[in-house]
Amino acid sequence: GESVGLHLPTLSVQEGDNSIINCAYSNSASDYFIWYKQESGKGPQFIIDIRSNMDKRQGQRVTVLLNKTVKHLSLQIAATQPGDSAVYFCAENPPGGTSYGKLTFGQGTILTVHP
Amino acid sequence: DGGITQSPKYLFRKEGQNVTLSCEQNLNHDAMYWYRQDPGQGLRLIYYSQIVNDFQKGDIAEGYSVSREKKESFPLTVTSAQKNPTAFYLCASSTGQGVFANQPQHFGDGTRLSIL
Repeated sequence: GESVGLHLPTLSVQEGDNSIINCAYSNSASDYFIWYKQESGKGPQFIIDIRSNMDKRQGQRVTVLLNKTVKHLSLQIAATQPGDSAVYFCAENPPGGTSYGKLTFGQGTILTVHP
Repeated sequence: DGGITQSPKYLFRKEGQNVTLSCEQNLNHDAMYWYRQDPGQGLRLIYYSQIVNDFQKGDIAEGYSVSREKKESFPLTVTSAQKNPTAFYLCASSTGQGVFANQPQHFGDGTRLSIL
């Protein structure tokens, strides 16, 4: 079946640097994508989402870029802080029928921010 | 505060025993979901419900059962047929169904189930 995957399982950065977390998706018909942050022992926390009719969306210190040509999604975190250390997941929602509302998650990237 | 409450936080199951994980939401969301997370892996969908009194199997439904008698509640039972139940279980909800389906899912803080 189709799935969402991540290029890098771990990413280490210095405090204040910008971080980029990448995600490859294989279902070209997916029309909605979400980034989540998960801290140890907690549930995933919504960060930002983007629909397939957009290429870029910005939030507070975060930007999501969608490249439908190569089926690639990225999350950029500006001025990364120690509190950003967590596992980051991308998820996609394939369209249609009973798939409405279902998400397919990638394996996650561990982001470690060093003070 | 509005949110999703999962209980208990930790749960232990004996051989041959069924256990039920609770999930309650006060967000007035129509859709609710159960996921399983194994160490170092992403989330896999067990069951989901888009409306009261209706639910569908996800990708790994074998050995699990659910009910959706109330909008705010979606309990998950891990039955004795689930031979490898040790995992972190996450419940989520979202507003979406139909044309409004593409809305983010909001998660509880999970229940960690272990075998005695």
